[in-house]
Amino acid sequence: DTGVSQNPRHKITKRGQNVTFRCDPISEHNRLYWYRQTLGQGPEFLTYFQNEAQLEKSRLLSDRFSAERPKGSFSTLEIQRTEQGDSAMYLCASSLGGVWQTQYFGPGTRLLVL
Amino acid sequence: GQQVMQIPQYQHVQEGEDFTTYCNSSTTLSNIQWYKQRPGGHPVFLIQLVKSGEVKKQKRLTFQFGEAKKNSSLHITATQTTDVGTYFCAGGEGGSEKLVFGKGTKLTVNP
Repeated sequence: DTGVSQNPRHKITKRGQNVTFRCDPISEHNRLYWYRQTLGQGPEFLTYFQNEAQLEKSRLLSDRFSAERPKGSFSTLEIQRTEQGDSAMYLCASSLGGVWQTQYFGPGTRLLVL
Repeated sequence: GQQVMQIPQYQHVQEGEDFTTYCNSSTTLSNIQWYKQRPGGHPVFLIQLVKSGEVKKQKRLTFQFGEAKKNSSLHITATQTTDVGTYFCAGGEGGSEKLVFGKGTKLTVNP
């Protein structure tokens, strides 16, 4: 399967714990995006990378959230001191470089904070 | 900041009926993209529109981009049960690669 993969697919954690999600983009894609989606809403942009550089971050990305893409391939999204409001589906997407390329989404990681 | 609004939020049709969802942006867009998300699935890219007044067709789906590049529509002719899902528009502004998604229109089709 050469699509975008995300792990884990589901995560249940207790409030206050830290969680980390991983995204593996399509291999030739140099752009990687993180979105958050809650029930009944569209995906909300969190951040994106061009290779290993984090080029844009949303105001939604509080200081408890950090994303990395150290080698320009896979990316991790960490949430520290989780809160119940962090419960959502976290989607990763990747695209080729260039202007307005198609974003291909992964299956997402569903987070439930108890 | 940029906002993208979609109507209706829900649409229920009988199989064979037509369906249209509308998307409006608070700002002028450089491009608009449409995605479909099946229940339990992830967004899947359908089309991208870039030019003012652009119309694109994919079989029974017709996509339009408004002249002012602030609105768009998706029309499905003769819906089928395979069309069920939530249709999202997502707008992009110049100078940023981020997409701003609407809340989507959830389509259900009664066989």
